Amino acid sequence: DSGVTQTPKHLITATGQRVTLRCSPRSGDLSVYWYQQSLDQGLQFLIQYYNGEERAKGNILERFSAQQFPDLHSELNLSSLELGDSALYFCASSVGGQPTYEQYFGPGTRLTVT
Amino acid sequence: AQTVTQSQPEMSVQEAETVTLSCTYDTSESDYYLFWYKQPPSRQMILVIRQEAYKQQNATENRFSVNFQKAAKSFSLKISDSQLGDAAMYFCAYRSAEGNDMRFGAGTRLTVKP
Repeated sequence: DSGVTQTPKHLITATGQRVTLRCSPRSGDLSVYWYQQSLDQGLQFLIQYYNGEERAKGNILERFSAQQFPDLHSELNLSSLELGDSALYFCASSVGGQPTYEQYFGPGTRLTVT
Repeated sequence: AQTVTQSQPEMSVQEAETVTLSCTYDTSESDYYLFWYKQPPSRQMILVIRQEAYKQQNATENRFSVNFQKAAKSFSLKISDSQLGDAAMYFCAYRSAEGNDMRFGAGTRLTVKP
């Protein structure tokens, strides 16, 4: 158990819908990262937040957005869902925002778009 | 852009034997971090080992060790005394010292035969 929690574990929804994935970092960690793991694209970095501010952006679609709240939990919002958005979405956290800090991954949320 | 290549989609090893998983990467940077992550059937991403590019000494963690060849841009993982619990997908990852995105290879599925 990494100490990172993600809810829900599974989510099934229809095309065109909007969903919110939630992540709680390890106690004391200030930085949160979101990743997408799909059969087509493999593991991809989406976005990073540090202490409430966006720190780095990867291959995140415009239909996706994220935020980190004052209590440091983070949410990833996916809208206008397409079949290709079906994937495992991971959240990871680290103590600091710099690359030197190790990232600890949560168990993931499996999203199925039908 | 940095790319990570794992040329072995699947590998198998006999229990108690040694296996080496290959990884190469492409970068123009001199300072970066390299990682091996394990993803068992539970889908949890578990950090196995990490290597800082500025360190010449190869990292080791119990039965896991790496062969880091900076000039050749190669970062292989050696698993000694393989155990049934080592069966998993293994991902090689690159992280720049300047940025926070992490690039992953396509993964190698390791099977351990009893």
